[in-house]
Amino acid sequence: DTEVTQTPKHLVMGMTNKKSLKCEQHMGHRAMYWYKQKAKKPPELMFVYSYEKLSINESVPSRFSPECPNSSLLNLHLHALQPEDSALYLCASSQASGAPYEQYFGPGTRLTVT
Amino acid sequence: KQEVTQIPAALSVPEGENLVLNCSFTDSAIYNLQWFRQDPGKGLTSLLLIQSSQREQTSGRLNASLDKSSGRSTLYIAASQPGDSATYLCAPNTGNQFYFGTGTSLTVIP
Repeated sequence: DTEVTQTPKHLVMGMTNKKSLKCEQHMGHRAMYWYKQKAKKPPELMFVYSYEKLSINESVPSRFSPECPNSSLLNLHLHALQPEDSALYLCASSQASGAPYEQYFGPGTRLTVT
Repeated sequence: KQEVTQIPAALSVPEGENLVLNCSFTDSAIYNLQWFRQDPGKGLTSLLLIQSSQREQTSGRLNASLDKSSGRSTLYIAASQPGDSATYLCAPNTGNQFYFGTGTSLTVIP
């Protein structure tokens, strides 16, 4: 099974809401990633978790809060977002970070902030 | 920081043509390079992974080459089909992260 799943597929939230995005993989991968992708742009790395510890935070605003409760699960908690945060949020995993392994991507969550 | 450029930005070809997508990157200290396909509004599908020690990798009608020292990779698509229409992204891996290119938007006309 080489699948990364993401829920929900679509999310519409107001600027005062709190919501969470969920990502799951059962490939035994120990690195998981969050990317943000705006329309017609390449994905931009937000966070990297390695062995359930945050290893990279690409200067992401604190209104985005990642969490890795176990090796299979990655969450992105959202609070007080801005309309410019509307984007496709992609989760990925690989066997490990800092090494020559393939990345596998989920289908993404389309987020709209109103 | 790794800079990745893909040329052309957009390409429209008739069905059956062979085509080449180009990717160049500034930092040659990479572990590997991955080619992805992305359909509109969807996630990324991995097409090929080519390790830094390899020169070529093939999967079906796709062939990727890597010239690490010159910072270049090409994706060759043989006998293109309308179903190949998508955006193609290259992503060199420096270890801690993949840096994505700007993408080539491909349209194959029946």
